[in-house]
Amino acid sequence: AQKITQTQPGMFVQEKEAVTLDCTYDTSDPSYGLFWYKQPSSGEMIFLIYQGSYDQQNATEGRYSLNFQKARKSANLVISASQLGDSAMYFCAMRLIQGAQKLVFGQGTRLTINP
Amino acid sequence: EAGVTQSPTHLIKTRGQQATLRCSPISGHTSVYWYQQALGLGLQFLLWYDEGEERNRGNFPPRFSGRQFPNYSSELNVNALELEDSALYLCASSLFVGYRSYEQYFGPGTRLTVT
Repeated sequence: AQKITQTQPGMFVQEKEAVTLDCTYDTSDPSYGLFWYKQPSSGEMIFLIYQGSYDQQNATEGRYSLNFQKARKSANLVISASQLGDSAMYFCAMRLIQGAQKLVFGQGTRLTINP
Repeated sequence: EAGVTQSPTHLIKTRGQQATLRCSPISGHTSVYWYQQALGLGLQFLLWYDEGEERNRGNFPPRFSGRQFPNYSSELNVNALELEDSALYLCASSLFVGYRSYEQYFGPGTRLTVT
């Protein structure tokens, strides 16, 4: 079974600073994908970034990058130059490439950006 | 391009009643997923439909059921509602090609309240 652990229930960061949200995962399957989603107070889950287990390079999408350390089974999200609009819940999730296509989510980290 | 849509936005039911939630996927997506986000329980996978068939279900009782229509839209039915069914129900859609799915894009959710 897959498991995602997010150890930071809440984080407070000053605007324009970089922030790292931690995520560790556990699976015995070698083929998987890792995802980060943002959930504002409105409730909608917004897809941010994806990293495949066989990808050689860390994924980047604009201000978002994923620090993928396969040996440590970690997939931390880095947000550069944080903005007030980044305040939200952030969820790390994983999915096996084959078989059941469900996303398994961590408990989330609530990020608050202070002006 | 329109995103995933869900209706209704809010639904209030009493214990023992039935609830029906609806989801329309992104055009071209054949897979629809349902997740429950209950307070304190995080996001839990409910059901996965692809090409009109139920492909996988999470650890939920049989009173949670659904279907997918020929146009790939989906319905989630919850029978004999219990107070603990109160939650945000999120629908997601993705492509599913060659036994592999791609990023899941979520709708805004239906907030179900059971009194």
